Amino acid sequence: EIVLTQSPGTLSLSPGERATLSCRASQSVSSSYLAWYQQKPGQAPRLLIYAASSRATGIPDRFSGSGSGTDFTLTISRLEPEDFAVYYCQPYGNSRTFGQGTKVEIK
Amino acid sequence: EVQLLESGGDLVQPGGSLRLSCAASGFTFSSYAMGWVRQAPGMGLEWFSAITDSGDDTYHAESVKGRFTISRDNSKSTLYLQMNSLRAEDTAVYYCTKGSVARRPYYFDYWGQGTLVTVSS
Repeated sequence: EIVLTQSPGTLSLSPGERATLSCRASQSVSSSYLAWYQQKPGQAPRLLIYAASSRATGIPDRFSGSGSGTDFTLTISRLEPEDFAVYYCQPYGNSRTFGQGTKVEIK
Repeated sequence: EVQLLESGGDLVQPGGSLRLSCAASGFTFSSYAMGWVRQAPGMGLEWFSAITDSGDDTYHAESVKGRFTISRDNSKSTLYLQMNSLRAEDTAVYYCTKGSVARRPYYFDYWGQGTLVTVSS
């Protein structure tokens, strides 16, 4: 089973700043089958990115995904107040695990 | 609009049983894989069960294998999770999820609001 490491565990930033979240896999993620989800307190997770870099329906273009192989990145270009949440990565091709999450909190 | 509405969560004693249901609407239920993901209090996400579009193939993580069973009724657009021999560590919010396609590889493009299962004496 693929082991995922998301870093940092917590990211403290101010609105308007750029957020860079990392997801590293212990083995190559097949065909860039990697998704990112956002979860706000008390809510269900929401799909942000699939296939490493494709935005899901209705997701603002300040969210972007990149990477391949074992290293993937979620970037939020300019943080809006509603973006402070926990973000999970998930390689859905050859794994059924989720990363442990990165919390983006207001500095 | 895609909607996934879970029900059946409750407080149950260790060793007890529970059946969760997920009523789906807004899409052709029989054309997509479905799954269950759970989240223990203060913890991350665990994808522990899934089923193909026709129900001919299922997945159960080791943590629930032999105790939980996923099933679906495509005529009723409903997903089920039969949970037996419940343990304290099964306490979590249980999310019903829709796969992006019928069979792997798929991501979860829609999630229900979750239903809370608490296992405690």
